[in-house]
Amino acid sequence: DGGITQSPKYLFRKEGQNVTLSCEQNLNHDAMYWYRQDPGQGLRLIYYSQIVNDFQKGDIAEGYSVSREKKESFPLTVTSAQKNPTAFYLCASSMKDSTQYFGPGTRLTVL
Amino acid sequence: AQSVTQLGSHVSVSEGALVLLRCNYSSSVPPYLFWYVQYPNQGLQLLLKYTSAATLVKGINGFEAEFKKSETSFHLTKPSAHMSDAAEYFCAVSPMFSGGYNKLIFGAGTRLAVHP
Repeated sequence: DGGITQSPKYLFRKEGQNVTLSCEQNLNHDAMYWYRQDPGQGLRLIYYSQIVNDFQKGDIAEGYSVSREKKESFPLTVTSAQKNPTAFYLCASSMKDSTQYFGPGTRLTVL
Repeated sequence: AQSVTQLGSHVSVSEGALVLLRCNYSSSVPPYLFWYVQYPNQGLQLLLKYTSAATLVKGINGFEAEFKKSETSFHLTKPSAHMSDAAEYFCAVSPMFSGGYNKLIFGAGTRLAVHP
């Protein structure tokens, strides 16, 4: 089955820790995206990548980092610089026609 | 610049009643428009999309949306609500004909409740 997987489903972080969220796709999509979702605020773009070894900041990149070493993978690291990281994180991918397909999400909670 | 406004953060309907979720957009270029649905603790699922082929777009689960350029609207409708339609719905816009990978701009979402 083709699709997008995210792991883990739930993640807990202590203050001062970095954590990495996984996103993998087997749709052969060139572009991948990371969004943050908070209640009542819709989705906000963190980072996106259109091609391997290249990525761009979105609207709320501060405190986050990404890498794109393989076409299939686009991991997101939430660093200790992100002061309010508790949120639902969604990964998506697309081809050039703009339709983005989403993974199941990771819920991150800071303890 | 592009933006999306979803009127009504919460909508409640009776089972069997018409569902109408409102979306207005702002775009300086011709837009692609999308409706996504999200069930609790899940990702977003594409319901339908407008890409200029037809102004009335039919999607999954009996939903449809009509692109009205004069009103800059893309409202989502379903003739008869089912209990399983209870979810959060997001409208999104991106520029058409940009030749690249476009960022989606999302509305804040509308939570649909369906009661017996």
